[in-house]
Amino acid sequence: DAGVIQSPRHEVTEMGQEVTLRCKPISGHDYLFWYRQTMMRGLELLIYFNNNVPIDDSGMPEDRFSAKMPNASFSTLKIQPSEPRDSAVYFCASSLREGGPQHFGDGTRLSIL
Amino acid sequence: GESVGLHLPTLSVQEGDNSIINCAYSNSASDYFIWYKQESGKGPQFIIDIRSNMDKRQGQRVTVLLNKTVKHLSLQIAATQPGDSAVYFCAESSSGNTPLVFGKGTRLSVIA
Repeated sequence: DAGVIQSPRHEVTEMGQEVTLRCKPISGHDYLFWYRQTMMRGLELLIYFNNNVPIDDSGMPEDRFSAKMPNASFSTLKIQPSEPRDSAVYFCASSLREGGPQHFGDGTRLSIL
Repeated sequence: GESVGLHLPTLSVQEGDNSIINCAYSNSASDYFIWYKQESGKGPQFIIDIRSNMDKRQGQRVTVLLNKTVKHLSLQIAATQPGDSAVYFCAESSSGNTPLVFGKGTRLSVIA
């Protein structure tokens, strides 16, 4: 079975540029989560969706960050404009239930120069 | 200036020995717990879970113990192998109505 698929795996870009991270959840999973992982702060929940609707975006750091889920099989996390402190690994995860086991993608390693 | 990283507890074990990784949680309402393994360059992977109506659950080479009295969770890995080297996270949720809350992680290093 295909797991959670994220793209790109690596992204290097200059500060000020727009960055778009993509995620395809596991088919049938109603919940989708976006996380950021850094050495400083560990794994942070940014936002999560239920049936394509954002439920809690309180973890989104700033207005520069936005996330969408136009359909059940696709979500994006956008950073505009990007800054060096946004450099991190961004993970997408999906689950059948809100508090149930989450299945993670392999992440996007983002470097903002 | 130099940035200070998250200080991950590290456990070093000899290959073949048993490993015990501990996790303390603070939410008394938490009733579902998971252990994840994260290898370098990969996302966290589900290992084993346990509900609060149990105090022990076994998988293949792994056992999770739950002590609700002191809000403590542990992961035991039998006959630890080099492939077990990774960062291990515990996660908890409450009544299935809240998303998982992840701990800070413990790095397991297996010495061959």
